[in-house]
Amino acid sequence: GENVEQHPSTLSVQEGDSAVIKCTYSDSASNYFPWYKQELGKGPQLIIDIRSNVGEKKDQRIAVTLNKTAKHFSLHITETQPEDSAVYFCAARDHGSGNTGKLIFGQGTTLQVKP
Amino acid sequence: ETGVTQSPTHLIKTRGQQVTLRCSSQSGHNTVSWYQQALGQGPQFIFQYYREEENGRGNFPPRFSGLQFPNYSSELNVNALELDDSALYLCASSSRQGAYYGYTFGSGTRLTVV
Repeated sequence: GENVEQHPSTLSVQEGDSAVIKCTYSDSASNYFPWYKQELGKGPQLIIDIRSNVGEKKDQRIAVTLNKTAKHFSLHITETQPEDSAVYFCAARDHGSGNTGKLIFGQGTTLQVKP
Repeated sequence: ETGVTQSPTHLIKTRGQQVTLRCSSQSGHNTVSWYQQALGQGPQFIFQYYREEENGRGNFPPRFSGLQFPNYSSELNVNALELDDSALYLCASSSRQGAYYGYTFGSGTRLTVV
């Protein structure tokens, strides 16, 4: 089955700097890769997603890139702000689970943005 | 448009007991999935319900079961609770079965088994 590895586990940046979180996946058939932000006491919130027929997607300060050959995808946050501080999870749809929405999540990255 | 709501928010149970967690899906969403999130880990897929039937299951034993109702709300039942069942249980709804359109997660139920 699918396996997703996420790095780094913690990331500390200065306000205004960029942050990059990287994930690798094992199943080359996987075709959908969402990123979630989870704040303390809340459920994960979808912030951006990408499908395998696209190499890059941007939404204001957030971008995701996908390299299908290397089986890795990355989240880029530019001009970070203190409110970006949270735990970020990457995920991949488990193609082997048929027509279900089963997502395999990475272990999470705790991002701290220092003012 | 209301989001996904889960109840209760917190729960303490004793080992061996049974528990029922509830989820109301977001308006317009007909698919509900349940995930278990242990402390410091990413969520793990338990199962998904579509048209009131389970149509996908993760690596969880049969003592984890669920229901989906005609209004698309859902319940997660766990029998014979074990200490390792202590976790945040997340419900997620989507408008399509395959989750290509993104899940909407609830805030979860924090279950503590003592």
